[in-house]
Amino acid sequence: AQKVTQAQTEISVVEKEDVTLDCVYETRDTTYYLFWYKQPPSGELVFLIRRNSFDEQNEISGRYSWNFQKSTSSFNFTITASQVVDSAVYFCALSEPLGNQFYFGTGTSLTVIP
Amino acid sequence: DADVTQTPRNRITKTGKRIMLECSQTKGHDRMYWYRQDPGLGLRLIYYSFDVKDINKGEISDGYSVSRQAQAKFSLSLESAIPNQTALYFCATSDRTGGILGAQPQHFGDGTRLSIL
Repeated sequence: AQKVTQAQTEISVVEKEDVTLDCVYETRDTTYYLFWYKQPPSGELVFLIRRNSFDEQNEISGRYSWNFQKSTSSFNFTITASQVVDSAVYFCALSEPLGNQFYFGTGTSLTVIP
Repeated sequence: DADVTQTPRNRITKTGKRIMLECSQTKGHDRMYWYRQDPGLGLRLIYYSFDVKDINKGEISDGYSVSRQAQAKFSLSLESAIPNQTALYFCATSDRTGGILGAQPQHFGDGTRLSIL
């Protein structure tokens, strides 16, 4: 069965600090897809990134970077030089091969203190 | 205009009432989903639909029903609302998956905050 674990319920950092949000997943599929979403205080869910299981290259987008490691079933998200606007709840999600269902973690609430 | 529109945005109602939450999309996606979000539990799938004739139960479908009136419209109903259905409800859409593209990301509406007294 698919499962996504985000063990960090809440994190607080001071502005400009780096922060890593952890995501560990379980699946029996050899092909799967991983996602990160951001939910700012306004409530909407914003898609950040998709990663395929057969592509283990890390990715960087501005201050955001993602580290995908199949050996540890982890897909961690790092924000460099955090800003107040990064304050949000971040969700990691796993999709089965056909993309029929998404399995979301319980989310990590990040607060960036000015 | 938003690509995925949910109405109403907020609703307060009483136990036992019938409630309908509506979702419409202009993205032209085949797949539509309904989730509920509860504090500490993340998002849980209620129902999903791959086209007008295809409806599937998700993880927590008890107490809910859906209707896919058209490709662009997917409604969620609570036939007899109860307080533990108080939650934030999201509609989402995704494009057809397959081939080298694999699973497509889901695109979410802004949510409906439902309170049942």
